[in-house]
Amino acid sequence: QPVVTQSSSASASVGSSVKLTCTLDSGHRAYIIAWHQQQPGKAPRYLMRLEGSGSYKKGSGVPDRFSGSSSGADRFLTISTLQSEDGAEYYCETWDSNTRVFGTGTKVTVL
Amino acid sequence: EVQVVESGGGLVQPGGSLRLACAASGFTFNTYWMTWVRQAPGKGLEWVANINQDASGKYYVDSVKGRFTISRDNAKNSLYLQMNSLRVEDTAVYYCARSDYGDPIDSWGQGTLVTVSS
Repeated sequence: QPVVTQSSSASASVGSSVKLTCTLDSGHRAYIIAWHQQQPGKAPRYLMRLEGSGSYKKGSGVPDRFSGSSSGADRFLTISTLQSEDGAEYYCETWDSNTRVFGTGTKVTVL
Repeated sequence: EVQVVESGGGLVQPGGSLRLACAASGFTFNTYWMTWVRQAPGKGLEWVANINQDASGKYYVDSVKGRFTISRDNAKNSLYLQMNSLRVEDTAVYYCARSDYGDPIDSWGQGTLVTVSS
């Protein structure tokens, strides 16, 4: 079963950019992941599917300022031109056969 | 528009049972796997169970095996989670989610709160 690791927090100012990292364990470094956003008090929202090649496909209505990239076992979510509503918890998800795994989440604070 | 709406949460005593339901609309329900995910208060997301399109495959996180049963009724576009022998540590918001084999969860419900307490 894959394991994904996320840093606990990140912060950046309105209008700047922030880059979040989700790291796959060594035995699963080629795996596809997904990024989900959870704003305070709300249900999660699917943002994108991200492959090891760096190719990504966003969900419906996800703003252009959200993008994905990859390097080795690392999967990145970059939020450009940060807005106040981007303050949220961001989770990565991966899967293996018939199970799913979530990272512990990264809390993004917009200054 | 894809929509999944959970119901059935509530307060239950330890050892009790509860059945959650999820009504799906806006997509061809019987062509998708479906998933339950939970979130304990102040904690992260935890995958609970998956079911394939025709219910021939059902998969669970170890902590709920033997106590929870996932099922579906494709004629009613509905997903269910029967929860028995509930424990205090099962307290969480339970989300219904659409997923497919080899793909991520791409739609989430609003969640239903299950509280296990005496």
